[in-house]
Amino acid sequence: LAKTTQPISMDSYEGQEVNITCSHNNIATNDYITWYQQFPSQGPRFIIQGYKTKVTNEVASLFIPADRKSSTLSLPRVSLSDTAVYYCLVGMDSSYKLIFGSGTRLLVRP
Amino acid sequence: EPEVTQTPSHQVTQMGQEVILRCVPISNHLYFYWYRQILGQKVEFLVSFYNNEISEKSEIFDDQFSVERPDGSNFTLKIRSTKLEDSAMYFCASTPIWDRGSYEQYFGPGTRLTVT
Repeated sequence: LAKTTQPISMDSYEGQEVNITCSHNNIATNDYITWYQQFPSQGPRFIIQGYKTKVTNEVASLFIPADRKSSTLSLPRVSLSDTAVYYCLVGMDSSYKLIFGSGTRLLVRP
Repeated sequence: EPEVTQTPSHQVTQMGQEVILRCVPISNHLYFYWYRQILGQKVEFLVSFYNNEISEKSEIFDDQFSVERPDGSNFTLKIRSTKLEDSAMYFCASTPIWDRGSYEQYFGPGTRLTVT
């Protein structure tokens, strides 16, 4: 499993775009990049997943450069309710369990 | 939209007592998991379950823990003799079938276990 590094915390204001970058230098050829969101006292929630280039859904965009050694989760026009911890996960072992790191704690201010 | 449910939402128990945490995964899902999160810490994998047997368990999942799928809908985690350090949020998760292209697991709202 690739080791990931992401900022411990980020601050933003309502209406701004937030970009959270995750480094995963030892990503393997078959690894996908997945992001989860967790609100306080709730279970993690899948946000988005990608392999290369750009993926967009109704919640976020995921940008992955050609070398795939990093990825950026982009949240457009955040609101107070986007205050949460965001986890970058890379790869999956044979048992398909999720290995969570410490994540990035995003605080959105009014 | 289907969702994973867990009961109870909060359980308080005394050290040494047995607890059973219950989960109802999404109905057509085949893979089931338990994770836990001690307050302020990371989400940690406990156990995965497929085809009525444990697929993998972490070193946290010692002999005090067991899982069961007693019927077609429930998935339970039993802690035989609780310790103070078992106090945590316990999350159940499920996923339909493993597609190498999808790492999406569906998590329940969690059970907060407090051991006194």
